[in-house]
Amino acid sequence: EDQVTQSPEALRLQEGESSSLNCSYTVSGLRGLFWYRQDPGKGPEFLFTLYSAGEEKEKERLKATLTKKESFLHITAPKPEDSATYLCAVQAPGGSYIPTFGRGTSLIVHP
Amino acid sequence: AAGVIQSPRHLIKEKRETATLKCYPIPRHDTVYWYQQGPGQDPQFLISFYEKMQSDKGSIPDRFSAQQFSDYHSELNMSSLELGDSALYFCASSFQREGRIEQFFGPGTRLTVL
Repeated sequence: EDQVTQSPEALRLQEGESSSLNCSYTVSGLRGLFWYRQDPGKGPEFLFTLYSAGEEKEKERLKATLTKKESFLHITAPKPEDSATYLCAVQAPGGSYIPTFGRGTSLIVHP
Repeated sequence: AAGVIQSPRHLIKEKRETATLKCYPIPRHDTVYWYQQGPGQDPQFLISFYEKMQSDKGSIPDRFSAQQFSDYHSELNMSSLELGDSALYFCASSFQREGRIEQFFGPGTRLTVL
């Protein structure tokens, strides 16, 4: 069964303290891995899609990387406005295009 | 850029009542998805439509039904509401290309069942 595991569940950082969030997956043949940011009571905001191992994408202070078993979301010099839940989802090959979501990492950045 | 539109944003219902949630996908997107998200939970997939035909079904209760109309908007109909149906309901849309998708989510409808 496909599984997506995100760690840590919660992370507290000081402003400017860089760190990484992890998304481990067990999918036989990854079609795509997605990162989303979700603020409380709001819809997930699309950040990145990664398709193959070795791929990297950047957006402002965020950088996503992908290996054959996991993805990292690196946050460089975070600011309080980066506080949110970060969700990872994977799309497996086959007839269903429905991504499987992880439980998310709740990030709080203190000023 | 146009985003996914959902209405209403908030809905309060009594037990055993019926609710209808609406979703307007991003123009030219061919797939619509419905998700339910409880407090502290990840989004749980309910159902999806590709080009107005039901394409995938997830953990959608029999009390719920959905459809996509000719103008591509979708409605999620929920009957015999239960307290446990209180949650955020998200609609997402995507455009399929070579089996790949990128889902864009709407702002959600917060349903409270009293």
